[in-house]
Amino acid sequence: GIQVEQSPPDLILQEGANSTLRCNFSDSVNNLQWFHQNPWGQLINLFYIPSGTKQNGRLSATTVATERYSLLYISSSQTTDSGVYFCAAHSTGNTPLVFGKGTRLSVIA
Amino acid sequence: GAGVSQSPRYKVAKRGQDVALRCDPISGHVSLFWYQQALGQGPEFLTYFQNEAQLDKSGLPSDRFFAERPEGSVSTLKIQRTQQEDSAVYLCASRLTGVTGELFFGEGSRLTVL
Repeated sequence: GIQVEQSPPDLILQEGANSTLRCNFSDSVNNLQWFHQNPWGQLINLFYIPSGTKQNGRLSATTVATERYSLLYISSSQTTDSGVYFCAAHSTGNTPLVFGKGTRLSVIA
Repeated sequence: GAGVSQSPRYKVAKRGQDVALRCDPISGHVSLFWYQQALGQGPEFLTYFQNEAQLDKSGLPSDRFFAERPEGSVSTLKIQRTQQEDSAVYLCASRLTGVTGELFFGEGSRLTVL
C-alpha cells in the first residue's frame, strides 16, 4: 500500500514565525488531506488537496502530484497553531486513507 | 447531523470486558471508516463500510474486533474480551461518496483497559 512520510517530526517556533511542513507519498494519489489534531484529540480538516494549491487565511498547501509530495505552509504562527499536523493519502479505488506519523508543532509566545 | 458523532467519548473497561463504540456519520454519507490511534501515533485503519457492506476489514487486529453498519448509517465497533493493548482512541470518519472525496472525523472514543 501507499507509504506516507512527514517531516520534520517535531518543530518549535516562536510566535510570529513561518514554517513549512512536508509530506512525501510513495504512489499516485486520489485523495490527500492535511489535518490538525488539537490538544483534545479532534482531527480538524485543513485541506483536501490531491493536487494544486489552496489557501485558507494564514495556512496554505501545495501538492505536486507528479513529484509525490505536499507542503503545508503556516505563516505568522500563533500559540493556537500548536498541536500535531497529519498528512493522509490514499491511492486508488476503495483503499483507505493512510496517515503519516505527524509533525508535532509547538508555538511559544 | 452536522458532523460525525461518536459515543461514548470516554470508556474505562476492566480487562476481559466487552465494549461497544458507536458512530453516527454525517447524514447521507455513503462511506464510513474506523481508525485506531495509539498514544503518540498516527491513526491506523481498521475497517471500511460502503453503505451497509463491509468492504475492507483488513486492519482489524484480531477476531475480538467486530464492526457492523446494518442499515447503512450508524455503525458500532465491538471489542470482545478487551486487553490492555486495546487502549487507544477509536476514530470514526465518513465520506459523502463511495470511492474518493474528503474524509471527516468524529471526536473519537478514548478506551482505557485496566
